[in-house]
Amino acid sequence: DTGVSQDPRHKITKRGQNVTFRCDPISEHNRLYWYRQTLGQGPEFLTYFQNEAQLEKSRLLSDRFSAERPKGSFSTLEIQRTEQGDSAMYLCASSLVPGAAFFGQGTRLTVV
Amino acid sequence: AQSVTQLGSHVSVSEGALVLLRCNYSSSVPPYLFWYVQYPNQGLQLLLKYTSAATLVKGINGFEAEFKKSETSFHLTKPSAHMSDAAEYFCAVSDQDSSASKIIFGSGTRLSIRP
Repeated sequence: DTGVSQDPRHKITKRGQNVTFRCDPISEHNRLYWYRQTLGQGPEFLTYFQNEAQLEKSRLLSDRFSAERPKGSFSTLEIQRTEQGDSAMYLCASSLVPGAAFFGQGTRLTVV
Repeated sequence: AQSVTQLGSHVSVSEGALVLLRCNYSSSVPPYLFWYVQYPNQGLQLLLKYTSAATLVKGINGFEAEFKKSETSFHLTKPSAHMSDAAEYFCAVSDQDSSASKIIFGSGTRLSIRP
């Protein structure tokens, strides 16, 4: 098992374009989290899945963000009509027990 | 609502000195508490976790943390700092209710080690 895998590692996109990121969790982990991290800040919670059910979504998240986890395996995070303020590192994590999460290396998004 | 506050965005200690990184939490329900470490250009790694079994928790690389309910604190310590400990450290809290277990992170403390 190679841990949590995220793809792509880096993404540069023009403002207004849509982007999609993929996360492959550790295979037996039923919990999956998405976070956003900007320089000098802690990870900011975006959304959380238990199996295929999206149990919580941050109220800070605009309607431009959507996440799916079909069949309770991999997950995708889509950002529509990207804005410069969306530039950040997007982190995915998975866990078997509450909180003890394993993080991927992240996807760095730059909106130009 | 749950939250954590990390006191001090940057801590600098000499090699061999005591490391103390402070974290206070706020939670209306019994919490799980965690410390994560992020080395430069690497992903977040779980350092240790408190899940109500024992108040003194030992983690990797010689770190430990003590849960003090009366002080709502979960400070991270290491008796003797090593150059390889230089990293960003994040305190985090989660609800013990397994159906609502998002993890809330603090803003982080950058640890620098002086030779």
